[in-house]
Amino acid sequence: GNSVTQMEGPVTLSEEAFLTINCTYTATGYPSLFWYVQYPGEGLQLLLKATKADDKGSNKGFEATYRKETTSFHLEKGSVQVSDSAVYFCALSDLGAGGTSYGKLTFGQGTILTVHP
Amino acid sequence: DGGITQSPKYLFRKEGQNVTLSCEQNLNHDAMYWYRQDPGQGLRLIYYSQIVNDFQKGDIAEGYSVSREKKESFPLTVTSAQKNPTAFYLCASSIRGAGEKLFFGSGTQLSVL
Repeated sequence: GNSVTQMEGPVTLSEEAFLTINCTYTATGYPSLFWYVQYPGEGLQLLLKATKADDKGSNKGFEATYRKETTSFHLEKGSVQVSDSAVYFCALSDLGAGGTSYGKLTFGQGTILTVHP
Repeated sequence: DGGITQSPKYLFRKEGQNVTLSCEQNLNHDAMYWYRQDPGQGLRLIYYSQIVNDFQKGDIAEGYSVSREKKESFPLTVTSAQKNPTAFYLCASSIRGAGEKLFFGSGTQLSVL
């Protein structure tokens, strides 16, 4: 079955530091890959996505590249801010019939990021 | 503003009691979902519905039930058969056929007394 493994957290950084959160996956077929972010007391929000190999998703200074050869989708940001403190989830979806995934995402366990001033 | 509203924010259940979590959306989305979030674990799909009056079991449906009588509402009942109900429950919705972009509510924390 499908699975997603994220690096163990929590991750604590100083403001303006470089961020990497590792994500690897196991899936049948050709999944789409996502990063969701959950700010304190809120639901999850889609941060970025990539739908095929070598695609790069980017948003709000975050980037992740779909690496089929290493089955990875690592999240990076060059300079983090205090406001980036949140829980980050890597996820994948396998497309079903008709090319739709019907919200059946497989999530990693989440990585808590804390950024200090 | 369009969005998903979950209520209550905190809920307590006594042994042997059924409780119902509310989820309402005004995004005009056809599809709605319930996920369970446990500390240190990813989200797991409980039930999902692609259209009114239809729903399917997710990966961990045992001990839960849902209904979808209206497009905007997808309540989740945690029954007494669910032996470990303490968790954070998240409702989500999406445009039918674009399931990977989910819009989430702010969640309900359920605890057992």
